[in-house]
Amino acid sequence: AQTVTQSQPEMSVQEAETVTLSCTYDTSENNYYLFWYKQPPSRQMILVIRQEAYKQQNATENRFSVNFQKAAKSFSLKISDSQLGDTAMYFCAFMRPSGNTPLVFGKGTRLSVIA
Amino acid sequence: DTEVTQTPKHLVMGMTNKKSLKCEQHMGHRAMYWYKQKAKKPPELMFVYSYEKLSINESVPSRFSPECPNSSLLNLHLHALQPEDSALYLCASSYESSLRGSADTIYFGEGSWLTVV
Repeated sequence: AQTVTQSQPEMSVQEAETVTLSCTYDTSENNYYLFWYKQPPSRQMILVIRQEAYKQQNATENRFSVNFQKAAKSFSLKISDSQLGDTAMYFCAFMRPSGNTPLVFGKGTRLSVIA
Repeated sequence: DTEVTQTPKHLVMGMTNKKSLKCEQHMGHRAMYWYKQKAKKPPELMFVYSYEKLSINESVPSRFSPECPNSSLLNLHLHALQPEDSALYLCASSYESSLRGSADTIYFGEGSWLTVV
């Protein structure tokens, strides 16, 4: 079974600084997808970024980028120029292309951006 | 447009009430999901509909009854709930599901806050 581990329950960062959230996963699959979702206090689960395992290039979305290390099974999220609106719970998630488990979530990292 | 809309946003119900949560998407997605989320926890999968057919029921108690009237709508009927069922209920959708061997990104709605008194 796949597992996703987020080892940092809480983090904080100063506004305009850069922060990196860690995620590791365990799978025997070669083809899969990885996601970062953001859940602000409003509680809507918002897709931040997606990475396909077959792609060597790290995904980026504006201020958000990932460091995907397939051999190490690591998928960290870097937030540059942190903004107050980035304050949220961040979930790392794993998805197999086929099977009965749509998404496997980590336990989440609560990020606070401080003015 | 990646929008999943849920109503109501907040619901308070007694243990003997019958109520429903509603979810709608107009993205042409063929898979729809219900998740339950307790405070400070990740979402837990409840049900998956694929092409309007119930495909996964994660051993959810029968007091929760899902319904998919058409490809755009998903309901969750609630009856005789317990206080421990109070949670955020998230609806989600994707173009395809992993059940058909071609999983795609799952998009979530804003959620419905349910309080059982």
